Amino acid sequence: GAVVSQHPSRVICKSGTSVKIECRSLDFQATTMFWYRQFPKQSLMLMATSNEGSKATYEQGVEKDKFLINHASLTLSTLTVTSAHPEDSSFYICSGGTPNTGELFFGEGSRLTVL
Amino acid sequence: DAKTTQPPSMDCAEGRAANLPCNHSTISGNEYVYWYRQIHSQGPQYIIHGLKNNETNEMASLIITEDRKSSTLILPHATLRDTAVYYCIAEPNSGGYQKVTFGTGTKLQVIP
Repeated sequence: GAVVSQHPSRVICKSGTSVKIECRSLDFQATTMFWYRQFPKQSLMLMATSNEGSKATYEQGVEKDKFLINHASLTLSTLTVTSAHPEDSSFYICSGGTPNTGELFFGEGSRLTVL
Repeated sequence: DAKTTQPPSMDCAEGRAANLPCNHSTISGNEYVYWYRQIHSQGPQYIIHGLKNNETNEMASLIITEDRKSSTLILPHATLRDTAVYYCIAEPNSGGYQKVTFGTGTKLQVIP
């Protein structure tokens, strides 16, 4: 299946700093990618839809100015958590799909810990 | 998107078949049934999907009832590595451009 890679897999930062997470589609072009957040023992929650060359679409309750999404190329989407706080500590996962069969391929996830 | 209902947890003995049920009684005609699983601390993994016919691949089999209101994912010979949370999702097939909404899934524990 198609491969989606995330980096970094783990990051620890101080409160108030910004953190960027990269999501790359390695063997397919993704005009659309999705960002999820997962808190411990909970399911994945969709944060936003990232569209190549245009603004991201955010789910209700997700602050667009705090979670900056950039999708400048067909193989790279980035999520920047700005002015991170301990409550932003979570597992962030991206995904992308292929036009052939509709299934989504997920990155390995990035675990953010804000001290 | 149709809502799906799954049991919160199941146990299965290693080597036996694991049968994971999913109810999707409000599924519409253009919605497929997708199954994903998430092993602890990893991103979800696609398993299989189908519209109305039963499907089989190297990972699992998907049995969809004739009225499409429920389905069963079958792992024919469960191994310890199959311990994961399994998500059943009803979504239109829009070429990977449709956002996927995850429910709570079924936590499958494979027991030695």
